[in-house]
Amino acid sequence: DTAVSQTPKYLVTQMGNDKSIKCEQNLGHDTMYWYKQDSKKFLKIMFSYNNKELIINETVPNRFSPKSPDKAHLNLHINSLELGDSAVYFCASSQGVGTSGRETQYFGPGTRLLVL
Amino acid sequence: AQSVTQLGSHVSVSEGALVLLRCNYSSSVPPYLFWYVQYPNQGLQLLLKYTSAATLVKGINGFEAEFKKSETSFHLTKPSAHMSDAAEYFCAVSGNTGGFKTIFGAGTRLFVKA
Repeated sequence: DTAVSQTPKYLVTQMGNDKSIKCEQNLGHDTMYWYKQDSKKFLKIMFSYNNKELIINETVPNRFSPKSPDKAHLNLHINSLELGDSAVYFCASSQGVGTSGRETQYFGPGTRLLVL
Repeated sequence: AQSVTQLGSHVSVSEGALVLLRCNYSSSVPPYLFWYVQYPNQGLQLLLKYTSAATLVKGINGFEAEFKKSETSFHLTKPSAHMSDAAEYFCAVSGNTGGFKTIFGAGTRLFVKA
């Protein structure tokens, strides 16, 4: 069984479009994250939710909006896509409330977004 | 603020040789330190982590790392490289700084030659 799953795996779209990426975890974890990995493999956190509550909101354009319908799901909606949004987006989850920093994060396989 | 520096964006070793991937951290609070591995077209998975217990941490696939506070280092080693170890390796730091974000290093790509 896949622990952290993301859909779609690949996403190719035109500038200006709106798209969503979905993430689900079946580990029973309380905290979920979205990361962006750029072409140089640099990984940066975007958002984190604990039990559907936003607890990390990095300096991310407000075109990006996370939504957590329940603690097992964290979706990412992106409005008005730009060329610079092309990257790999990873969802992750961890046990506990995520406030100690010691928790192991479990990553999904990533969504490769290409904006043309 | 916390940060991580991985020395060497690429490391190449021969199969059977020692693997040494370097990581130095900066933290104003006692850090938690992690090594994650990313195989091509996959997500990251934990190799090992240091959370203030034993300073020598053993992980999966024969990897280990030693926390050295005096050197602010957490280098990753493996005595004998296998072809299957070829991947991207990320060092990461977190801690209770009022925000628990995990900060990742830029990654080191390990190449293993036959």
